[in-house]
Amino acid sequence: QQQVKQSPQSLIVQKGGISIINCAYENTAFDYFPWYQQFPGKGPALLIAIRPDVSEKKEGRFTISFNKSAKQFSLHIMDSQPGDSATYFCAASGWVTGGGNKLTFGTGTQLKVEL
Amino acid sequence: EAQVTQNPRYLITVTGKKLTVTCSQNMNHEYMSWYRQDPGLGLRQIYYSMNVEVTDKGDVPEGYKVSRKEKRNFPLILESPSPNQTSLYFCASSLRARVTEAFFGQGTRLTVV
Repeated sequence: QQQVKQSPQSLIVQKGGISIINCAYENTAFDYFPWYQQFPGKGPALLIAIRPDVSEKKEGRFTISFNKSAKQFSLHIMDSQPGDSATYFCAASGWVTGGGNKLTFGTGTQLKVEL
Repeated sequence: EAQVTQNPRYLITVTGKKLTVTCSQNMNHEYMSWYRQDPGLGLRQIYYSMNVEVTDKGDVPEGYKVSRKEKRNFPLILESPSPNQTSLYFCASSLRARVTEAFFGQGTRLTVV
């Protein structure tokens, strides 16, 4: 059962443009929503995270928008740069029935920023 | 340096030959877990451990075993590997059982022929 759905699977953006990746979740017990960035040959690393009591969080060029009623959240990368080219995973953390407390990941978005 | 260390980074083995992938963290984290990453499927949790001697199944535990005898180590054991276990494996740790930030190792690319 895919509890966190992520789209698109891949994304090509021109340098300087805005990259937008969307995620939707089902479990209302989730209470922490991070985004991870993964470069080839490396493990995922935390990029930015949000809790459901706020609707937006911004760190530099990266912004999470969160819509609790719609159970959706998205990552916006402003002024996208070639160095942002990576795979991005959304995730959700919380108590899952029969599964303890864990981090559930989306399927990933491969972002390529072209010059 | 705070890190999660996995070994080996690359492994090619034959069907049925038992193998162990080691994972060690130096951050005194309570929570550790194993994921496999497959194209189009993202990261799926195999097993997790909330503390020493406490382990539980994740989403895809079939064919895997784990143990947590010490806080810092969380090895992944494949008793009889099969080709469908060919994948990229990641170990991760978090400070507490209530998972917030997870720190990942560099990954182990396993090929079972």
